[in-house]
Amino acid sequence: GAVVSQHPSRVICKSGTSVKIECRSLDFQATTMFWYRQFPKQSLMLMATSNEGSKATYEQGVEKDKFLINHASLTLSTLTVTSAHPEDSSFYICSASFSGVHTDTQYFGPGTRLTVL
Amino acid sequence: DQQVKQNSPSLSVQEGRISILNCDYTNSMFDYFLWYKKYPAEGPTFLISISSIKDKNEDGRFTVFLNKSAKHLSLHIVPSQPGDSAVYFCAASTYGKLTFGQGTILTVHP
Repeated sequence: GAVVSQHPSRVICKSGTSVKIECRSLDFQATTMFWYRQFPKQSLMLMATSNEGSKATYEQGVEKDKFLINHASLTLSTLTVTSAHPEDSSFYICSASFSGVHTDTQYFGPGTRLTVL
Repeated sequence: DQQVKQNSPSLSVQEGRISILNCDYTNSMFDYFLWYKKYPAEGPTFLISISSIKDKNEDGRFTVFLNKSAKHLSLHIVPSQPGDSAVYFCAASTYGKLTFGQGTILTVHP
């Protein structure tokens, strides 16, 4: 149980284009979904928190107009990196939590490797 | 300001012995603590957690200890297996948001 998927697993795009990453909870309804990014040999940094049907809450320093988050349903959240630049290249990971267990336990997707040329 | 710290970047252990991974935190508002295991280019896998009202939680080979007065938690893996080799992250939660440590690379030698 508590399986989270991400698509695509890897994407390479040209500078200036937009990229959409999907995060799905496969066997549960996610009360809250989170988006993280991880630079090489560094820890996971929380970018934003989203609840179904409401606007995402972004962490300090994260541009909400650049990283668009849509949490359309209890099983799907999307992150769109708009006008991507090489410095946006990173490993993006989503997670989801749900009621019924300690709501602070987050289950992570497999991640998406974004490379911007 | 690193609120969650894993001061050992790496740990090497012989198969069958105990692995002890340590984590320190500074924010006394953290009320829930978790350990995750991660392989390169994959998402973290949840291992075990502990509430701040407890001082120990055990699940099979994994035991997490919490010392609130010292703001310290540890993960014990016994017996260690080669398949345990991975990066281990501790995470601390407040208001549902996780703050991660830098990770410790565990290598278990056959």
